[in-house]
This record gives sequence, C-alpha cells and structure tokens, in this order.
Amino acid sequence: DGGITQSPKYLFRKEGQNVTLSCEQNLNHDAMYWYRQDPGQGLRLIYYSQIVNDFQKGDIAEGYSVSREKKESFPLTVTSAQKNPTAFYLCASSTGTAGGETQYFGPGTRLLVL
Amino acid sequence: GEDVEQSLFLSVREGDSSVINCTYTDSSSTYLYWYKQEPGAGLQLLTYIFSNMDMKQDQRLTVLLNKKDKHLSLRIADTQTGDSAIYFCAEGDSGYALNFGKGTSLLVTP
Repeated sequence: DGGITQSPKYLFRKEGQNVTLSCEQNLNHDAMYWYRQDPGQGLRLIYYSQIVNDFQKGDIAEGYSVSREKKESFPLTVTSAQKNPTAFYLCASSTGTAGGETQYFGPGTRLLVL
Repeated sequence: GEDVEQSLFLSVREGDSSVINCTYTDSSSTYLYWYKQEPGAGLQLLTYIFSNMDMKQDQRLTVLLNKKDKHLSLRIADTQTGDSAIYFCAEGDSGYALNFGKGTSLLVTP
C-alpha cells in the first residue's frame, strides 16, 4: 500500500534530551512537511522540503532540525532547545510545493515530556 | 500566514445535515481544502475545491465557495455517528504550505 508512515506512535523525552521522529513515504512525492498540533489549535508548519538535500524553515522552526538525505524520508529532531515540545507531530507529503498540491498526512507521533 | 477562521464546535443529531463554515483572508488562494481528523489520528483529505468554482459535490459532501465573501462551507448530508471528528479548513496560497484553521469539532448524537 502507498502511504506515509510515522514512528513511533508515542515518544517520551527526558529533560535535555534530543529525540528524532521518523517519517517515511512511498508515494514518490517530492515535497515533505512537518507540522505541530497543539490541543484546540490548528496545524503550524515546522519545516518543509521541496526536494532531496534541501529544506526550509516554517513558522516555528526554533528548537527543531531536519534532514532530507533520501526522497522517501524526512526525519525531525526535537532538540533540547525546544522548551515546550509536548504536542502531536504530523508529517505530510505532496507532489510539489508550487501551491495547492494536495498534502497527504501520516498518522502522527505524540511526544510527551517526562 | 493569513487567517483561516472556523467555529470551534458543532453538534447535530444523527440523520440531520451538518454545515461547517470557514472564512479566509488570502484572496490569492488557489485551492481550498477540507480535512477530517479522528481522535489520535492524522488528517484525512475529504475534498477540495478550486477557487474558480462555486460548488463541488462528492457523495454526501457538498462544498460551497463564496469567493467574494471569502467564505467556504462543508455540508454533510445524513450525518452519521462515524462523522464525529474534527474538521479542518485549509487554503493553498501562492507559497509553500497549507494554512489551516483551528478546526471544528463535530459531535453527532443518536
């Protein structure tokens, strides 16, 4: 089946620890995105990537980092600099970023701080 | 990004029609989307409409677009308990990503 997978479903972070969230897609999409969702809020863009080896900051990039070494994969690292990381993280992909291409979402990873 | 506004909560009885409303401010938006999110899950694309269209129908779903007023609505006919979820309106502008509203929680009661 084609789609987007995210792992793990739940992730716990200790104070001062970096954690990495996985996102993989087999849709052959060029563009991938990371969003953060807080309760009662819409989705806010963290980072996006239009093509392999290239990525740009979104609206709330501070405290996060990404890489795009393969077309299929766009991992997100939540660093210790992110002081309020507890949220639901959603990865998405689309055929491009020229504007309006439909984005397809993964099932999400819920990050909790111990 | 530009603002996308939605009412936060809607309750309907099973079998009735639901209408979820959305307003946006970016007149350059080319596409407008409706996504559905069930508890603890990702977003599922329901439907979308091009900005040069007034209406789109897809089975139980009807999308109406009033571009002059920048108003978008999603009508769900014969609403079922399985339709209970959060519904997000989103616009695709000339930039790089979608701009989402905060979501409308739809509760369908028997």
